[in-house]
Amino acid sequence: KAGVTQTPRYLIKTRGQQVTLSCSPISGHRSVSWYQQTPGQGLQFLFEYFSETQRNKGNFPGRFSGRQFSNSRSEMNVSTLELGDSALYLCASSLGGRRQETQYFGPGTRLLVL
Amino acid sequence: QKEVEQNSGPLSVPEGAIASLNCTYSDRGSQSFFWYRQYSGKSPELIMFIYSNGDKEDGRFTAQLNKASQYVSLLIRDSQPSDSATYLCAAYNTDKLIFGTGTRLQVFP
Repeated sequence: KAGVTQTPRYLIKTRGQQVTLSCSPISGHRSVSWYQQTPGQGLQFLFEYFSETQRNKGNFPGRFSGRQFSNSRSEMNVSTLELGDSALYLCASSLGGRRQETQYFGPGTRLLVL
Repeated sequence: QKEVEQNSGPLSVPEGAIASLNCTYSDRGSQSFFWYRQYSGKSPELIMFIYSNGDKEDGRFTAQLNKASQYVSLLIRDSQPSDSATYLCAAYNTDKLIFGTGTRLQVFP
């Protein structure tokens, strides 16, 4: 089975711009979670989508949003970028039928905001 | 207090030794726990998970869970230089996977 894929792998944006990141889960996985990883804060949970619905949300401002499509692919959008949004954005997929199950990570999108 | 705590390290061990990585968690309701390994510049990869009190072994890796003490550990036997990475402990907390900040392990020849 192919693993979790994320595009693009690298992005450079400027403050005030917006960005959309994409995640394709492992075939058959219906849950997609998004995380932000920075050296100072570690891995922080953004949100989780299951069957096109946001099932869970972390403590991030409304500038961070996401959605999931019927094929389980997910996108994450960050509007009005700030310097502090520079990070590695990771998505992880799981089967989703049961909570608290194993998540498998994609390679990540590294975002640099100038 | 952070929900999942790990010593940031680095933990330095010689090749062939046992590396012991520790993690504590604050939510007594946490039911499942995961260890991920992350090489520099890469994404986390799952090593193993544990749900029940006691030990769980997988090859050179042993996870230990003590729910009464809210403590999870990972033992790596016969450590190799290729084990040098950051090890992330994670616990489910109200259906969100909460990660510790990771322990950096260095295995020297």
